[in-house]
Amino acid sequence: NTKITQSPRYLILGRANKSLECEQHLGHNAMYWYKQSAEKPPELMFLYNLKQLIRNETVPSRFIPECPDSSKLLLHISAVDPEDSAVYFCASSQSGTTNTGQLYFGEGSKLTVL
Amino acid sequence: GDSVTQTEGPVTLSEGTSLTVNCSYETKQYPTLFWYVQYPGEGPQLLFKVPKANEKGSNRGFEATYNKEATSFHLQKASVQESDSAVYYCALTPNSNNRIFFGDGTQLVVKP
Repeated sequence: NTKITQSPRYLILGRANKSLECEQHLGHNAMYWYKQSAEKPPELMFLYNLKQLIRNETVPSRFIPECPDSSKLLLHISAVDPEDSAVYFCASSQSGTTNTGQLYFGEGSKLTVL
Repeated sequence: GDSVTQTEGPVTLSEGTSLTVNCSYETKQYPTLFWYVQYPGEGPQLLFKVPKANEKGSNRGFEATYNKEATSFHLQKASVQESDSAVYYCALTPNSNNRIFFGDGTQLVVKP
C-alpha cells in the first residue's frame, strides 16, 4: 500500500522522545492515528476531520498529534512507557455528508519500548 | 452506545469447508456496516461494506447481509482457502460520522 506511507516502520526506544510520520496520497480530508496492541482491534487515538482535532480522552498526554496539512499527520511521543509498545497505524477517509466511513490504513509503525 | 460483538477466535478450519463468523451490533443510528480483514504485518483493509439495511455485500467469495431486524451482519464463505487465514473485523460507523467502531476481531486459521 503506497497510498498511505508511514515512517519509521520499526523503532525501539528506551525512555526517549520520538515522532511518527504519515502521509496520504488519496486526497482525503480526515486522518487518524490508531494504536493496535497484540491480538487487539485497532483503537482510535486521534481524529483530524477537516483539520479539527477529536481526541480519545483515554490517550495519555505524552502523545501529541500534529496535522501540518491535510495530507500529513505526525504523532509526537515523549517519555515512552512499556505499555506504549504496539503498532501505530495511520489511516484516512473522506468526510462529508455522504461519507460511509471507509478507512484506508497505512502499513503501521511498530514501536517496541525497552 | 455504539458497539460490535463478533465470534471469538481463533476459528480453525480445513480448506474447502464453510465459514460463518457471527457479528451483532448495537447503535441508535442508521449505520454503515463493514467487514475488514487484516493479514499478518499489514494494516486492516476493507473486505466490503453495506450502507443500507437488507442489502448484501460481497467480495472474494465472502458475503454478509445487513439484517436490521436482527441487528446482525454475519460473514460467510462457502469454501475457505489457506490464503484466507487472517483476522476479520466486523465494524460499524454511525450515519455521517467519521468514527468507526470495531469488534474484537476473529482470527481465522485455514489448514491445508
